[in-house]
Amino acid sequence: QKEVEQNSGPLSVPEGAIASLNCTYSDRGSQSFFWYRQYSGKSPELIMSIYSNGDKEDGRFTAQLNKASQYVSLLIRDSQPSDSATYLCAVNRDNYGQNFVFGPGTRLSVLP
Amino acid sequence: DAGVIQSPRHEVTEMGQEVTLRCKPISGHDYLFWYRQTMMRGLELLIYFNNNVPIDDSGMPEDRFSAKMPNASFSTLKIQPSEPRDSAVYFCASSFESSGNTIYFGEGSWLTVV
Repeated sequence: QKEVEQNSGPLSVPEGAIASLNCTYSDRGSQSFFWYRQYSGKSPELIMSIYSNGDKEDGRFTAQLNKASQYVSLLIRDSQPSDSATYLCAVNRDNYGQNFVFGPGTRLSVLP
Repeated sequence: DAGVIQSPRHEVTEMGQEVTLRCKPISGHDYLFWYRQTMMRGLELLIYFNNNVPIDDSGMPEDRFSAKMPNASFSTLKIQPSEPRDSAVYFCASSFESSGNTIYFGEGSWLTVV
């Protein structure tokens, strides 16, 4: 079992719809979780971080964390073609360090 | 503010040659990471440093790979000898522990070994 798993996609949604991206992780002791967006040919950039169970909203983005189920999700409301990218889920395995593990990413395509 | 700076951006080299990738982290950051990204394996952590000291190099694929951080503003990743399977994008990233675990990536070094 890989440490961080995501559906590879592609996930296609129409413009204006909600895109839902999912991630599961294997290390139950993980404490911090991140979503990065990576456009083709570019480097990953941080969208959201979440540390506590529940929802965290930032503009059109909502991150959801359920530590009991070892599950993290990212919702993108009112999806735009510019949201088309690969979304990487990342988990910090260390409570005090910076030992990040990335999932394989989900490719999202927002259709105009 | 200048971000993480990597060089070269692109390199094509022949099998058996030595490759050196360079990285300048964001000033003031105390963590530096080297990642490799391929279609098959995704984004893999190779090694990371804290205050110039290597903390975890378990991701370094084999002895052909080595990384150094002689000071807070410079790091190198060296592959000697290079092989075609080393072809990938190599990302350097840095973070400041008090920044809430946010890591910032450079634009990557695209390596092709023929």
